[in-house]
Amino acid sequence: GAVVSQHPSWVICKSGTSVKIECRSLDFQATTMFWYRQFPKQSLMLMATSNEGSKATYEQGVEKDKFLINHASLTLSTLTVTSAHPEDSSFYICSARDLRAPGGANVLTFGAGSRLTVL
Amino acid sequence: SQQGEEDPQALSIQEGENATMNCSYKTSINNLQWYRQNSGRGLVHLILIRSNEREKHSGRLRVTLDTSKKSSSLLITASRAADTASYFCATDSHSGNTPLVFGKGTRLSVIA
Repeated sequence: GAVVSQHPSWVICKSGTSVKIECRSLDFQATTMFWYRQFPKQSLMLMATSNEGSKATYEQGVEKDKFLINHASLTLSTLTVTSAHPEDSSFYICSARDLRAPGGANVLTFGAGSRLTVL
Repeated sequence: SQQGEEDPQALSIQEGENATMNCSYKTSINNLQWYRQNSGRGLVHLILIRSNEREKHSGRLRVTLDTSKKSSSLLITASRAADTASYFCATDSHSGNTPLVFGKGTRLSVIA
């Protein structure tokens, strides 16, 4: 089945630094990937839709300059948290849609998530 | 905005019992999906039910869909300790690459 690899699984950084999270589709091409943020014991909050070869579509309230998304190839999307602050500490999860799913249904394959802690 | 609302928020049962989780949504859908999330991990797709289906089975999972009430239920039969996880419903309102909308989830604890 479809596999999405997300790296790093956890990262600790100092306030003011930038952190890059990678999301790779390993055995399929993903023209679209989705980035979510999740707070403890809460649901997933969609941050942005990453489109290969074009600009990402950000959800309302998500700062584009804060969370930079690049989808340079059909198998890789990156999320860069710029000038990170403690309030950016969270669990970030990417997902991709495998077009091979039966009936073309919008089934998502998720990465394992990246836990960011900003000191 | 969140569309799905799971009920209950948390559920604790003994191993071997059945677990039932409910999901309500607000707008019309193409399909509804259930995902599972182990603590600190990504989500795993469990089952999808289309808007023209009323019930679907997969192993120990049984999903129902009532589009007139805009609700779905996930039943896990003969639960095991390994079923302990959070379960989310997600609605797909359009075809194509539109994002799924996830509910708040039900945290299931199965006690051995």
